[in-house]
Amino acid sequence: DTGVSQDPRHKITKRGQNVTFRCDPISEHNRLYWYRQTLGQGPEFLTYFQNEAQLEKSRLLSDRFSAERPKGSFSTLEIQRTEQGDSAMYLCASRGPGDQPQHFGDGTRLSIL
Amino acid sequence: AQTVTQSQPEMSVQEAETVTLSCTYDTSESDYYLFWYKQPPSRQMILVIRQEAYKQQNATENRFSVNFQKAAKSFSLKISDSQLGDAAMYFCAYFDGGATNKLIFGTGTLLAVQP
Repeated sequence: DTGVSQDPRHKITKRGQNVTFRCDPISEHNRLYWYRQTLGQGPEFLTYFQNEAQLEKSRLLSDRFSAERPKGSFSTLEIQRTEQGDSAMYLCASRGPGDQPQHFGDGTRLSIL
Repeated sequence: AQTVTQSQPEMSVQEAETVTLSCTYDTSESDYYLFWYKQPPSRQMILVIRQEAYKQQNATENRFSVNFQKAAKSFSLKISDSQLGDAAMYFCAYFDGGATNKLIFGTGTLLAVQP
């Protein structure tokens, strides 16, 4: 069990650029979550996958955000035309079957110049 | 909608002493889970302890225990024999495991441990 892996750890980009983050869940965890955490706040839910199906999306996930989980394994979160307000820590979590808790990755910190 | 409130932005405790972090929540559900997560600076969020709402017995994990008051919708975390490594941001979180499939977090309590 290597834990939830996120890449990159830190991304710095100019406003207006597109960015993509990757999350590799714990092996055999069929449920995957993305959260966004701004400074001084708790994480806020963005989206949820069960296997490859995206079952829930927050209203925080504007049309500039898209998430995928092809083949039900790793997931990507893409932000198009980044804005200053997108600066945050993006956390990925995965969860096994039953009532197992969510396990978090280290996060990707996005900084918009 | 469910909400989670942590009214203590910062707390401080002396090493080896006991500290209690407060959390209240609001829900109309009867079956749910509550969690405390620890987030050290620039490090991964780690699960500290969890409580199933249907269980009357308070959860305990080594030096960490909770006081779960379902009627009052209160879920406090007690850390006994505090250690320097306990210094972190602590988040209380709610999960109903059904309709929403998401964790709802409070704003966190930053715990400092004084040597």
